[in-house]
Amino acid sequence: VQLVESGGGLVQPGKSLKLSCSASGFTFSSYGMHWIRQAPGKGLDWVAYISSSSGTVYADAVKGRFTISRDNAKNTLYLQLNSLKSEDTAIYYCARKAFGVGWYFDFWGPGTMVTVSS
Amino acid sequence: DIHMTQNPVSLSAFIGDKVTITCRASQDISRYLGWYQQKQGQSPKFLMYYASNLLSGVPSRFSGSGSGTEYSLTITGIQPEDAATYFCQQCYSYPLTFGSGTKLEIK
Repeated sequence: VQLVESGGGLVQPGKSLKLSCSASGFTFSSYGMHWIRQAPGKGLDWVAYISSSSGTVYADAVKGRFTISRDNAKNTLYLQLNSLKSEDTAIYYCARKAFGVGWYFDFWGPGTMVTVSS
Repeated sequence: DIHMTQNPVSLSAFIGDKVTITCRASQDISRYLGWYQQKQGQSPKFLMYYASNLLSGVPSRFSGSGSGTEYSLTITGIQPEDAATYFCQQCYSYPLTFGSGTKLEIK
C-alpha cells in the first residue's frame, strides 16, 4: 500500500488550493478514504471522509469550504480547499479507512504541507 | 463531539521499563478506540483497534485495555524504537477525534 500526497504550498488567506493523493498497491475503488491534518507541532484533526461510493462527511471547521472527491479510474483522492484561513495551516495526510474493523486509518501518506499566510 | 483527554502529555522511560498512557472519552465509546504511533518527521502508524486488538506486525510488548470512557495503552519492556508520540482516536461517532498525544522519550 502506498499513498502519496501532493499539491501543498504557500497560499494567501481567502485563496484556494487542491490537494491530490495518489494511491497504489490496493484496490482503491473498494476503500473509503480520509483526509487528516496536523498543525505544526500539534495534534491530529480529522478533516473529511469519502466512501467507496463517494458519500462524504466533513468536520464542522471545513464544511462548506473544503470538498473531498475521488477518481477511481486514476486511483486518486482529492481535497479542494477554498476560502483558506491561517488556521488551515497544517500537514495534510490522506489515509485509508481500515477495512472491516471500524472507522480507523490503517495506512497514511507522508503528507503535504499547506501554509496559509499573506 | 466526543472529546478525548490523553495523559500524560509527555513521559520519559528507561529501556526495559513499563509505561502506561491513558485516554479518557467525554462519553461512552464502547471500546471503539484506536492507538497510533507517530515518530518524529513521519506519518502516524496504526497500532491497535477496538481498544485491545493489535495489528499484525506490532510487537507484543504493546497492549491495550479499557471500556466505557477509560482506556490505556501499555508498553512493557520499552525499546529504543518506541520513542514517539502516541495518539488515541475514537471511532464511535463522527466527527472522528483524537487525543492530544503523549510524547515518549527514551532516557
